[in-house]
Amino acid sequence: AQSVSQHNHHVILSEAASLELGCNYSYGGTVNLFWYVQYPGQHLQLLLKYFSGDPLVKGIKGFEAEFIKSKFSFNLRKPSVQWSDTAEYFCAGPGRAGNMLTFGGGTRLMVKP
Amino acid sequence: GAGVSQSPRYKVAKRGQDVALRCDPISGHVSLFWYQQALGQGPEFLTYFQNEAQLDKSGLPSDRFFAERPEGSVSTLKIQRTQQEDSAVYLCASSLEAGSSYEQYFGPGTRLTVT
Repeated sequence: AQSVSQHNHHVILSEAASLELGCNYSYGGTVNLFWYVQYPGQHLQLLLKYFSGDPLVKGIKGFEAEFIKSKFSFNLRKPSVQWSDTAEYFCAGPGRAGNMLTFGGGTRLMVKP
Repeated sequence: GAGVSQSPRYKVAKRGQDVALRCDPISGHVSLFWYQQALGQGPEFLTYFQNEAQLDKSGLPSDRFFAERPEGSVSTLKIQRTQQEDSAVYLCASSLEAGSSYEQYFGPGTRLTVT
């Protein structure tokens, strides 16, 4: 992906609500897509990744994402969020050169207990 | 096992000073990346090493920025004559092999504030 965009900058949910964070990419090559999470005070860590095959990928902590090629989208979902999911979420894909990552602007999620 | 470490975690520099930021990647990781993350934005690519070779430095914003990885392990990002617009978090990441399909493991970052 040569650019990645995230639609929502800030999302506030109550515990047990369902979550969907949008991610769209512009594409110029092999589609490897990632969602990273950054919990308060911690470093970026990988939630899940898509390389090929089943477009529905499952990650850690109950997160999943669906790759929809026709929509150039890779939205992140979780059926029931917890207070501990409060974090910033970044969608990423390959940049114009193969090894680098291009990140979206991030979505800051706050889950109210 | 140890993850990616970075030092210092915080750095305050007066405008015009030179700074050096260090990254210790995961042992054995071939690829090393530097990213810059401005407040409220996603990380942006600066430069990439495969072992000791700097294969891509297209993201470095000016010739004041210089990175090296002389022995293919520890890397240093140097910023000369710092400017206020250099204030950001500088992230280092490493991956086991080259190629975008390999997970990048990120360090905690160095928060640089230029006053």
